[in-house]
Amino acid sequence: ETGVTQTPRHLVMGMTNKKSLKCEQHLGHNAMYWYKQSAKKPLELMFVYNFKEQTENNSVPSRFSPECPNSSHLFLHLHTLQPEDSALYLCASSQDMGSPLHFGNGTRLTVT
Amino acid sequence: GDSVTQMEGPVTLSEEAFLTINCTYTATGYPSLFWYVQYPGEGLQLLLKATKADDKGSNKGFEATYRKETTSFHLEKGSVQVSDSAVYFCALRSLYSGAGSYQLTFGKGTKLSVIP
Repeated sequence: ETGVTQTPRHLVMGMTNKKSLKCEQHLGHNAMYWYKQSAKKPLELMFVYNFKEQTENNSVPSRFSPECPNSSHLFLHLHTLQPEDSALYLCASSQDMGSPLHFGNGTRLTVT
Repeated sequence: GDSVTQMEGPVTLSEEAFLTINCTYTATGYPSLFWYVQYPGEGLQLLLKATKADDKGSNKGFEATYRKETTSFHLEKGSVQVSDSAVYFCALRSLYSGAGSYQLTFGKGTKLSVIP
């Protein structure tokens, strides 16, 4: 039990599909993050939310759309993705911006 | 900008061998340094950290010392076990004000395989 739960664990979608990734944290943390993990590349920070407010968008294409309805839940809405978007998408949370991150197990996304 | 460079893997060791995974960094100011570990099929977990020069982080038999003069934070373990097989990530967080001050900068990761 990591305290950060991501669903689904695996997702295969076509380029015209619309899907959503879900993240839930049970740690009482105030900050939540989306990272992209691709082979042979460093982890890429995509979005940051602090107290439900988006504070960072690292030049992520608009086909990725985050949503944070409350401090415990974070979504990543996906539409018209490209094959190069195939990766492991990791959610993380932290007590505050300077605290260590707690990661979920990730969603393995394959775009066909 | 900030960057982290790790030794390229994969690294394959026999059980009870000595492990070193090199990590060097470039950063503004005096960063905090971290090692994260990712076991197969899981997310990253914080393994250890150091927040200032000459600090030694340690956990589960792993150690790393913050060396400001060489801008390094090498990970070591005296006797590895099969259960240590995982991917290890070095990371830093620069301590400066501004919109990006909370961001972690990660290395590419080093895969370790320990064989019986």
